[in-house]
Amino acid sequence: DQQVKQNSASLSVQEGRISILNCDYTNSMFDYFLWYKKYPAEGPTFLISISSIKDKNEDGRFTVFLNKSAKHLSLHIVPSQPGDSAVYFCAASATTGNNRLAFGKGNQVVVIP
Amino acid sequence: KAGVTQTPRYLIKTRGQQVTLSCSPISGHRSVSWYQQTPGQGLQFLFEYFSETQRNKGNFPGRFSGRQFSNSRSEMNVSTLELGDSALYLCASTFSGANVLTFGAGSRLTVL
Repeated sequence: DQQVKQNSASLSVQEGRISILNCDYTNSMFDYFLWYKKYPAEGPTFLISISSIKDKNEDGRFTVFLNKSAKHLSLHIVPSQPGDSAVYFCAASATTGNNRLAFGKGNQVVVIP
Repeated sequence: KAGVTQTPRYLIKTRGQQVTLSCSPISGHRSVSWYQQTPGQGLQFLFEYFSETQRNKGNFPGRFSGRQFSNSRSEMNVSTLELGDSALYLCASTFSGANVLTFGAGSRLTVL
């Protein structure tokens, strides 16, 4: 059962515009959420995270929004750059220190120069 | 600071064989987790080891096993390989209690 869901559609966006990725989760025990980026032939790289006590976290061009009541989070990348072209994974955990992450299936983002 | 190192990077096996994959975590990281990535299922949690003990296990059959050594290095083994085991196997390490995992580049297994 997929507890973290990302729609399978890929996203194409012009350089300089905003990229928005969405993620939904079903497990109400999740209280820590992460986004990872993955290039081909590399492992996922941590991008940004958010705790359930917050509804927004910002790091440079990347902002994650969390709507707990809707069990929904989103990642905004602005402005998008060609180097952002990658697969983005949403992940969630219940903070018990066991490091078990539930991942979504990922979204391909293509930034067009 | 060296990252998470996985070996081998690529390997090809035939059905029925077994395979052992190795992972060296970042120095000082005592928690090592393994994930399987397939096109259809995304990243699926296999197991996590901390201080040589399996702390958590995902929903995989007993053919999938692992261990961790006293230096925190970890291995995972898959016995009686099936075609469906073809995947990218990712190892990740972290400090205990920290949710941000650092991943290695993975070991791509192809089962023929």
